[in-house]
Amino acid sequence: GAVVSQHPSWVICKSGTSVKIECRSLDFQATTMFWYRQFPKQSLMLMATSNEGSKATYEQGVEKDKFLINHASLTLSTLTVTSAHPEDSSFYICSGRGDTEAFFGQGTRLTVV
Amino acid sequence: AQSVTQLGSHVSVSEGALVLLRCNYSSSVPPYLFWYVQYPNQGLQLLLKYTSAATLVKGINGFEAEFKKSETSFHLTKPSAHMSDAAEYFCAVTITSGSRLTFGEGTQLTVNP
Repeated sequence: GAVVSQHPSWVICKSGTSVKIECRSLDFQATTMFWYRQFPKQSLMLMATSNEGSKATYEQGVEKDKFLINHASLTLSTLTVTSAHPEDSSFYICSGRGDTEAFFGQGTRLTVV
Repeated sequence: AQSVTQLGSHVSVSEGALVLLRCNYSSSVPPYLFWYVQYPNQGLQLLLKYTSAATLVKGINGFEAEFKKSETSFHLTKPSAHMSDAAEYFCAVTITSGSRLTFGEGTQLTVNP
């Protein structure tokens, strides 16, 4: 199947700093990328949907100024957590939309200290 | 709006026993249904998907699921559990192929020796 590569797989940052997470579709063009957040022992919560070349659509309750999403090309989408705080610590997963299904990255474990 | 409900947040079976993970869906239009598996600190791996073709869907690692419209169910089964099957399992639904997914709450499967 298609591959979505997500980096980094884990990151620890200081409170107040920003962190960028990259999501690349390696063998297909993902016109749409989905970004999810997953708290421990919980399901995935959709944060935003990004379409190549346009602004992301954020789910209700997700701060667009805090979670900046860029989808500049058909193979790359990035999520930047700005001015991170401990409550932003979570597991973030991206997903690229293919022709018939969505393909998931490996996830990024963010810990803000 | 579509939704899925996974009955049982935890399921425990013995190695070699039948695995049954339950998923019921709600959708106003014919759905696309998916089962994913997630190992700790990893992304989601697709086990199988229903896309309105055969109602009995066979997936990877010996798993299969049957779409039952009359019961609005899409339960996941495996005849004989293996220790490596221990993981979190998510049922998901969408109404457009490749579109955003709505996930169930997940079921943690434990396999006892």
